[in-house]
Amino acid sequence: EAQVTQNPRYLITVTGKKLTVTCSQNMNHEYMSWYRQDPGLGLRQIYYSMNVEVTDKGDVPEGYKVSRKEKRNFPLILESPSPNQTSLYFCASSYSNQPQHFGDGTRLSIL
Amino acid sequence: GESVGLHLPTLSVQEGDNSIINCAYSNSASDYFIWYKQESGKGPQFIIDIRSNMDKRQGQRVTVLLNKTVKHLSLQIAATQPGDSAVYFCAENWSTDKLIFGTGTRLQVFP
Repeated sequence: EAQVTQNPRYLITVTGKKLTVTCSQNMNHEYMSWYRQDPGLGLRQIYYSMNVEVTDKGDVPEGYKVSRKEKRNFPLILESPSPNQTSLYFCASSYSNQPQHFGDGTRLSIL
Repeated sequence: GESVGLHLPTLSVQEGDNSIINCAYSNSASDYFIWYKQESGKGPQFIIDIRSNMDKRQGQRVTVLLNKTVKHLSLQIAATQPGDSAVYFCAENWSTDKLIFGTGTRLQVFP
């Protein structure tokens, strides 16, 4: 089954404790992206990657890092999480200029 | 999740009626538009897309209309069903693989 898989789905943690949210897709898509979703603000892009070893900042990249060492994986790293990063996060993938497929989300709570 | 739906404009329709969800986009240079559906606890799911060289596209029970003159996009759902209850987002493609999402509309279907 074609899918984008995120882990964990839920996480409660504390300020400053490094965390990684993994994202994996099995569709051989070149393009992958991370979004955060907040009430009233919709989906905002954090980082994206056009292909392996190619990553670029989206609209809200501060406080986040990503890597794209393999085509299927695109982890999101919060080196020193803060409460304003409490949000619902989505990973997505697609072929270039095609509709993006989204994972089911990761709800992060930073205390 | 449910918190995504807070503060959203809401459209309430009776089962069997047609629904029209509207979206204004901002970039006159956008050439590709997508409608997504997001159910509670899930990621956005692709419904239908349209390129700027078209003004109408039909799918199964859904139709997207594009009016480039006024930068307006609409999603029409025929014979709305309870399973159509969700938050609907439009997205415009600002550039290659950069999607800008609207804040969404909640569709509520009552019997």
